Amino acid sequence: GQNIDQPTEMTATEGAIVQINCTYQTSGFNGLFWYQQHAGEAPTFLSYNVLDGLEEKGRFSSFLSRSKGYSYLLLKELQMKDSASYLCAVLDSNYQLIWGAGTKLIIKP
Amino acid sequence: GAVVSQHPSWVICKSGTSVKIECRSLDFQATTMFWYRQFPKQSLMLMATSNEGSKATYEQGVEKDKFLINHASLTLSTLTVTSAHPEDSSFYICSAGTSGGTPYEQYFGPGTRLTVT
Repeated sequence: GQNIDQPTEMTATEGAIVQINCTYQTSGFNGLFWYQQHAGEAPTFLSYNVLDGLEEKGRFSSFLSRSKGYSYLLLKELQMKDSASYLCAVLDSNYQLIWGAGTKLIIKP
Repeated sequence: GAVVSQHPSWVICKSGTSVKIECRSLDFQATTMFWYRQFPKQSLMLMATSNEGSKATYEQGVEKDKFLINHASLTLSTLTVTSAHPEDSSFYICSAGTSGGTPYEQYFGPGTRLTVT
């Protein structure tokens, strides 16, 4: 079956750095997405990786290793507004998005 | 760009009634729209994929006669929850796919919170 694993919850301190990991086992791979979802709101797009390596976008970076079935989202200079759930999703061979359960990130002052 | 709207943002209805939720792509044409359901503290669950002008493709376990999806134009898709029951109470989110930009990126609407009493 298809499976995406990410930690259920993480806690970090304002101003610090946090890394949210995602491992996947899917039938085929056509890219990996990270979305941010604040409570009661719809997800918003953060990043898309299809090749191995690190993609940097401001305070957020996303890394992909296809051989290891692994990705991480790195958030720097954490702000209170970064408190949200972070969803990892993989586009499989049928171009269907397979969603992880999300990681709830709690930022403490 | 790539804005998706949903209406209503929240709705309360009585058990046994039907509720229609609209999803519109405001500034682009969406050949494909997706409907998701999300229960509290859970991830998104894809209900169905709809392509303009054709019947929706439902995920396993989703009752197509209960959740009616219409995608009549390139900018509008509707989800009708028929004979709603309390267990249908959930956060319903639509998204639209665009051929431009990041491949197969989905742009999400703000969601509709349905409460069935």
